[in-house]
Amino acid sequence: DTGVSQDPRHKITKRGQNVTFRCDPISEHNRLYWYRQTLGQGPEFLTYFQNEAQLEKSRLLSDRFSAERPKGSFSTLEIQRTEQGDSAMYLCASSLGGTGANVLTFGAGSRLTVL
Amino acid sequence: AQSVSQHNHHVILSEAASLELGCNYSYGGTVNLFWYVQYPGQHLQLLLKYFSGDPLVKGIKGFEAEFIKSKFSFNLRKPSVQWSDTAEYFCAVNAATGGYNKLIFGAGTRLAVHP
Repeated sequence: DTGVSQDPRHKITKRGQNVTFRCDPISEHNRLYWYRQTLGQGPEFLTYFQNEAQLEKSRLLSDRFSAERPKGSFSTLEIQRTEQGDSAMYLCASSLGGTGANVLTFGAGSRLTVL
Repeated sequence: AQSVSQHNHHVILSEAASLELGCNYSYGGTVNLFWYVQYPGQHLQLLLKYFSGDPLVKGIKGFEAEFIKSKFSFNLRKPSVQWSDTAEYFCAVNAATGGYNKLIFGAGTRLAVHP
């Protein structure tokens, strides 16, 4: 499979625990994005990377959230001290980037349930 | 604030009926426009995109969309829907003012097609 891979697909955790999601983008894509999707809403932008550089973060990304892409390949999204409001589907996408032709390919997502 | 509005949250149609899903955006300047589809249990997939040129774009599975710049709209159409079109449809926009870096989604329209 040469698409965008996300792991784990489902995570159930107790409030206050830390969780980490991993995303493996399409190998030739230099841009990587994280989105969050809750029931009845469209995906909301969280952050994106150009290679290993994190270029933009949404205000939705509180101090408890941190994303990394250490070698410009896979990325991790960590949520510390989870809250029930963090329950959502976390989507990763990648693209070739560049102006005017930035088409995002999405992974299947990691569903987080915080009890 | 930049936003994308999808007029209908839920649409129910019978097979062979015609479909039109509305999408309006509130960006100034040059934009790229997209429709993504999410079939039950599957990840977001690109249905069609508009970058420039002919404002009537054709996508997969018989879908098309028309970009009307004066109305800031990018409505999705299909002349005759099938049961297999049951899915959630998301309109999305990225803008030149943001370097086409960030894709902003509407809330989605859930389509149910009855045989």
